[in-house]
Amino acid sequence: AQSVTQLGSHVSVSEGALVLLRCNYSSSVPPYLFWYVQYPNQGLQLLLKYTTGATLVKGINGFEAEFKKSETSFHLTKPSAHMSDAAEYFCAVSPYNNNDMRFGAGTRLTVKP
Amino acid sequence: NAGVMQNPRHLVRRRGQEARLRCSPMKGHSHVYWYRQLPEEGLKFMVYLQKENIIDESGMPKERFSAEFPKEGPSILRIQQVVRGDSAAYFCASSPRDSYNEQFFGPGTRLTVL
Repeated sequence: AQSVTQLGSHVSVSEGALVLLRCNYSSSVPPYLFWYVQYPNQGLQLLLKYTTGATLVKGINGFEAEFKKSETSFHLTKPSAHMSDAAEYFCAVSPYNNNDMRFGAGTRLTVKP
Repeated sequence: NAGVMQNPRHLVRRRGQEARLRCSPMKGHSHVYWYRQLPEEGLKFMVYLQKENIIDESGMPKERFSAEFPKEGPSILRIQQVVRGDSAAYFCASSPRDSYNEQFFGPGTRLTVL
């Protein structure tokens, strides 16, 4: 079975500062990894995903994440936060060989002016 | 191509009533997933279905909850005899086969039990 741990339920940064949201996973088989964003009262939107190949993955809105197998991590970063980045962010993992996805508890990002 | 549709968007029920939540997957998608999001909590997997089959229901409460995805029509999540603790946002997601597992989410149904 697979699982995800997101460190920090709340992260606050100033506008223009680096955003770093942490995600560690466990999986008994090679994983596929995802970051989703949820704005208030909306569904989840895919930011980026890692399946195979390059371990540094670029997504929408300037976000990127790096798959580090040795650390079982898939942290999400953005060099410069924008006010519009304030949202809830979910990391998710699924086994490469089926569609069974598990989500972390989420990290709420606040961006201060 | 329309996205995942969920209705109703908001549902109010009194304790003891039944709640029926509907999810129409994206065109061509044969996999449907239901998740529950409680206030201030993350997404909890409930059930994974393909047409006419329940693949994984390990996240479903043993009583009062059921789900189906018939050959024709939307997927239905049914909650019988609702209690206040069932108040939550329920999200549906769908994916096609061989999609590298990416799931596309609907806007959710917010259930309030009075």
